[in-house]
Amino acid sequence: DTEVTQTPKHLVMGMTNKKSLKCEQHMGHRAMYWYKQKAKKPPELMFVYSYEKLSINESVPSRFSPECPNSSLLNLHLHALQPEDSALYLCASSQDQVSGETQYFGPGTRLLVL
Amino acid sequence: TQLLEQSPQFLSIQEGENLTVYCNSSSVFSSLQWYRQEPGEGPVLLVTVVTGGEVKKLKRLTFQFGDARKDSSLHITAAQPGDTGLYLCAGADRETSGSRLTFGEGTQLTVNP
Repeated sequence: DTEVTQTPKHLVMGMTNKKSLKCEQHMGHRAMYWYKQKAKKPPELMFVYSYEKLSINESVPSRFSPECPNSSLLNLHLHALQPEDSALYLCASSQDQVSGETQYFGPGTRLLVL
Repeated sequence: TQLLEQSPQFLSIQEGENLTVYCNSSSVFSSLQWYRQEPGEGPVLLVTVVTGGEVKKLKRLTFQFGDARKDSSLHITAAQPGDTGLYLCAGADRETSGSRLTFGEGTQLTVNP
């Protein structure tokens, strides 16, 4: 089973709202990732968690706050977003960060910020 | 900074035709992944190639990793409408970037019935 699940599938939020995106995997992977993808563009890395600790933050604005409650779950907390943050947010996982090239992606959350 | 140049950017063909997508770089990668993505969905991993000169086949799809591990190609034989999607190559270099994938810009393939 190489499934990564994400909820919700779609999200519409105002610029003053607080919302969270959730990601789950049960492959025993110890590295998890958040990506942002704009239409017809490749995914852009945002955060990497390795063994539940934040390993990489690609200079993402603080209005995005990641959290890894346990080895299977990854959250992305959103607050005071801007319309330009509207995108497909993808979660991925890999066996670990060292062998992180084979990453399995979830279906994504389509976010619209009004 | 590692770059992956993917070509062509767009490809529209008729059902039954063959096609090849290329990913080229001046950098060496320890592995290269190919993904296919449909609108509104996440990328689905098709293959990982790790050995220079490696060829992998997945039904009508043939993937090749260059001898020097700087380039890769995806060849589809007798394309079908179900092959329509965004094809992404992604390279990784364990020594310099670990889990950071370098993505190509993608090839939007449309196969017309």
